[in-house]
Amino acid sequence: NAGVTQTPKFRILKIGQSMTLQCTQDMNHNYMYWYRQDPGMGLKLIYYSVGAGITDKGEVPNGYNVSRSTTEDFPLRLELAAPSQTSVYFCASSSRTGGYGYTFGSGTRLTVV
Amino acid sequence: EDQVTQSPEALRLQEGESSSLNCSYTVSGLRGLFWYRQDPGKGPEFLFTLYSAGEEKEKERLKATLTKKESFLHITAPKPEDSATYLCAVQAGGSQGNLIFGKGTKLSVKP
Repeated sequence: NAGVTQTPKFRILKIGQSMTLQCTQDMNHNYMYWYRQDPGMGLKLIYYSVGAGITDKGEVPNGYNVSRSTTEDFPLRLELAAPSQTSVYFCASSSRTGGYGYTFGSGTRLTVV
Repeated sequence: EDQVTQSPEALRLQEGESSSLNCSYTVSGLRGLFWYRQDPGKGPEFLFTLYSAGEEKEKERLKATLTKKESFLHITAPKPEDSATYLCAVQAGGSQGNLIFGKGTKLSVKP
């Protein structure tokens, strides 16, 4: 039972490059989320999805894009990477609207130089 | 504005020394309050959900309680393996499951 799988675990990008952070869950959860975690700060919501084909912005969406073509996958796209996007990114899923708790992936540590 | 404040930022305990972590919140229509544990280099791990004032939940040495303005995570006779960062989060009414997180309390338990 893999839960939520994120790849890659680490990545260094140069300013202006683009990349996609992958997130896959095998629990048939409808709700999926992307958060970023900066040192000393709380987790901030970037984007979320309530089902395949439905996505919406969270608190800090600028510089990111998402898609949800299947229940299992929720990739996060970074276009034109900037140093401010240096962070740890977590993907999470839940079976209902968070009430039963999120299952988090192990995170992607991204550095933009 | 919905917000969550956790205190203290860091807490050092001796093994067996019980204590509490605090989570104060301001939210429009609380749908749920959540506690997570996060180990270094890992994603948060779900511990508890509390829905209404007066509710309590327990898991091993941890007990979470909820009032109308705050939640406490009580740790009884902690062990070194309880060392982690504990995160509190709230879900506001009308939200699509997205949670608002506090900055966490880093707990260190020394043998």
